[in-house]
Amino acid sequence: GAVVSQHPSWVICKSGTSVKIECRSLDFQATTMFWYRQFPKQSLMLMATSNEGSKATYEQGVEKDKFLINHASLTLSTLTVTSAHPEDSSFYICSARGLAGGHGYFGPGTRLLVL
Amino acid sequence: QKEVEQDPGPLSVPEGAIVSLNCTYSNSAFQYFMWYRQYSRKGPELLMYTYSSGNKEDGRFTAQVDKSSKYISLFIRDSQPSDSATYLCAMSSLIYNQGGKLIFGQGTELSVKP
Repeated sequence: GAVVSQHPSWVICKSGTSVKIECRSLDFQATTMFWYRQFPKQSLMLMATSNEGSKATYEQGVEKDKFLINHASLTLSTLTVTSAHPEDSSFYICSARGLAGGHGYFGPGTRLLVL
Repeated sequence: QKEVEQDPGPLSVPEGAIVSLNCTYSNSAFQYFMWYRQYSRKGPELLMYTYSSGNKEDGRFTAQVDKSSKYISLFIRDSQPSDSATYLCAMSSLIYNQGGKLIFGQGTELSVKP
């Protein structure tokens, strides 16, 4: 099956700093990437959808100025958590969808801990 | 009311048991139904995908959709310790090739004891 990677797999940072998470499609071109957030023992919540070369579409309640998404190429999307706070600590997962459509393939996730 | 409801468990069964996992939903527009398996600290992997109502079988896994009751199920036969994971149901109203937004259940944590 298609392979999606995320980097880093986990990150610890101080409150107020910014953190960048990368999502790569390794063996297909991802025209659309989805970013999810998952709190412990809770469901995946869609944060935003990005199409290559376009601005991301954010879900209601997600601050676009805090969670910056860039999808500049067909194999890479980045999520930057700006001025991170402890309440941003979570598991961030991307999903990439190619030209064939469908609901996408998930990456392994990035665990963020903000101290 | 959440669009998708799923009992978080945890559910503990002995090896070899038949496991039944369920989700209910409120949005009658949902047409595409999926089950994902998520191991601890990993991303979800797609297990089963069903369109509209009916059953689908893949090895030890059977997915059922009852749109009239807004109820979907995943059955695991001859459960193995390696099946221990969190199982998430997910649904979408858009056609498959358009993808669209997936709405996830909370996930059920399953433990299969040897």
